[in-house]
Amino acid sequence: DARVTQTPRHKVTEMGQEVTMRCQPILGHNTVFWYRQTMMQGLELLAYFRNRAPLDDSGMPKDRFSAEMPDATLATLKIQPSEPRDSAVYFCASGPSPIGTRLEDTEAFFGQGTRLTVV
Amino acid sequence: AQTVTQSQPEMSVQEAETVTLSCTYDTSESDYYLFWYKQPPSRQMILVIRQEAYKQQNATENRFSVNFQKAAKSFSLKISDSQLGDAAMYFCAYRNISQRIFYGGSQGNLIFGKGTKLSVKP
Repeated sequence: DARVTQTPRHKVTEMGQEVTMRCQPILGHNTVFWYRQTMMQGLELLAYFRNRAPLDDSGMPKDRFSAEMPDATLATLKIQPSEPRDSAVYFCASGPSPIGTRLEDTEAFFGQGTRLTVV
Repeated sequence: AQTVTQSQPEMSVQEAETVTLSCTYDTSESDYYLFWYKQPPSRQMILVIRQEAYKQQNATENRFSVNFQKAAKSFSLKISDSQLGDAAMYFCAYRNISQRIFYGGSQGNLIFGKGTKLSVKP
């Protein structure tokens, strides 16, 4: 049963601490998304990778957030230093290549999210 | 930049009745896909239905169907015979897909609306 795995599921941290969230995309998927979900803003795209290269991180605060894919099986999202306003649920999603005409290649599969609370 | 708008923050429907959730989007692209995702309290995002922009026929999945109006850039979701398990947040999403081979840019990006919370009354 292929699925996107995110760790940790929950994280409570103090303001100023570094937070690292991890995502294991589905094997074979070459596109990875990071989203932040809050009540006020809904689902905001933070970063988008294709073949491990960042294509769009315009939604990510560059001063404290960073996203990387050290290899094809791991995507990371780091916040340093964390602030209370970063409290949200962070989702990772992966999908096949969007190039082509196969309808089944258009779907993004989501992990269950990391609920981050910064106090 | 593409945007997706869901104008109904909350909706309510009686069990067994029909409800329609609205979604509009803005894009200058001609090739794209549209999706409706469901997010129950478990937080899991579940794909409900998808529509290819170049197909005029509206997509249907069991009790879920869409009304896709490309010229109006409208993509509404109709849920027939609503069930208690349909209660969830529903997100409309847009993804532009290029048929060309490309090596850069944000083609393939997936943009969401802010969601509509659907309640189902027994």
